[in-house]
Amino acid sequence: GENVEQHPSTLSVQEGDSAVIKCTYSDSASNYFPWYKQELGKGPQLIIDIRSNVGEKKDQRIAVTLNKTAKHFSLHITETQPEDSAVYFCAAMEGQTGANNLFFGTGTRLTVIP
Amino acid sequence: DVKVTQSSRYLVKRTGEKVFLECVQDMDHENMFWYRQDPGLGLRLIYFSYDVKMKEKGDIPEGYSVSREKKERFSLILESASTNQTSMYLCASSSPTGGNQPQHFGDGTRLSIL
Repeated sequence: GENVEQHPSTLSVQEGDSAVIKCTYSDSASNYFPWYKQELGKGPQLIIDIRSNVGEKKDQRIAVTLNKTAKHFSLHITETQPEDSAVYFCAAMEGQTGANNLFFGTGTRLTVIP
Repeated sequence: DVKVTQSSRYLVKRTGEKVFLECVQDMDHENMFWYRQDPGLGLRLIYFSYDVKMKEKGDIPEGYSVSREKKERFSLILESASTNQTSMYLCASSSPTGGNQPQHFGDGTRLSIL
């Protein structure tokens, strides 16, 4: 099955700086890669996703890049704000089986220091 | 917006008890999932269901069972609760329509087994 690794496990940045979280996956058949943000006391919320036919996707201060050859994808947050502080999870979805199962990384706790 | 509702935010039970965790979604999604979330381990899939009365084991099904009698409701059952099942439990739903789609999560049930 798919194996997703995520780094770093914790990340502290100054407000206004950029934050980058990186993930690798093992199954070349994976073709869908969502990112989730989990705030304290809440469930994970989808913030951005990318499909394997696209190399980059942006949504305001958030961008995701995908390198299919190297099997890695990254989340970039620019101009970070204190409300970006949360745990972020990457995930990968297998394409071959037709199943809709996600395989998650172990999470990155982002702290934005005011 | 998709709403996934988990019946309890916090639950305290005793070892050996039979425990029911309930999840309801309001978007007529075919797919429903149960995860447990533990620090440093990310989200691990316990069971999932693609349709009413259908269930499939995930990565860590031991000690758990599920029930899906209605499309909108997916129940997780701890047959005989043990202390190592103390965890955060997350329910999610998704639609298989239109290719790979994100999963939408509830806010979780924090379960303590004493």
